[in-house]
Amino acid sequence: RKEVEQDPGPFNVPEGATVAFNCTYSNSASQSFFWYRQDCRKEPKLLMSVYSSGNEDGRFTAQLNRASQYISLLIRDSKLSDSATYLCVVAPTFMGRRALTFGSGTRLQVQP
Amino acid sequence: DTEVTQTPKHLVMGMTNKKSLKCEQHMGHRAMYWYKQKAKKPPELMFVYSYEKLSINESVPSRFSPECPNSSLLNLHLHALQPEDSALYLCASSQDRVGTKLFGSGTRLTVV
Repeated sequence: RKEVEQDPGPFNVPEGATVAFNCTYSNSASQSFFWYRQDCRKEPKLLMSVYSSGNEDGRFTAQLNRASQYISLLIRDSKLSDSATYLCVVAPTFMGRRALTFGSGTRLQVQP
Repeated sequence: DTEVTQTPKHLVMGMTNKKSLKCEQHMGHRAMYWYKQKAKKPPELMFVYSYEKLSINESVPSRFSPECPNSSLLNLHLHALQPEDSALYLCASSQDRVGTKLFGSGTRLTVV
């Protein structure tokens, strides 16, 4: 089983739609969770951190369910510029070996 | 200065060449990372430097040799690479091992 699993997509949605991505992780000791966005041939950029209480940044809402070990990202009112690959990223405890573990990414294509 | 700067942006090298990738940040981050990313795959961790000391080597072949001359610079020395080493090489930094990672724009390496 992969450490971090995501549906690769692609998710093809019309402008204005609401789309949700889920991600599951296997290491129950994981401490930090993030969503990164990566445009084609560009570097990953932090979209938002994910907290147990849930957090919202404009049209983006991220939630963490520790009991079920999954993370979600909700995008409301999709824009063409939201088209990208969204990477679910999990970081271990301070003593963990790995710096970050990336999911394989979910590709989103917003259509006009 | 809130960026991670990588040079060169593109590099083509032969299998007998020796080249170096450079990464620089002036944010006072004490952890720096090298990742390798193949097309349509997530980034894979190669090396982690923490306080200028190599703390993680993810079983990377010796033809890749990292160096951290000071807290702002991270190099990756390349020698006798193979065509399958062609990829996007990403440098990242963070305040510490568990902090949010900021990525450079990467060096797109082609080995011929």
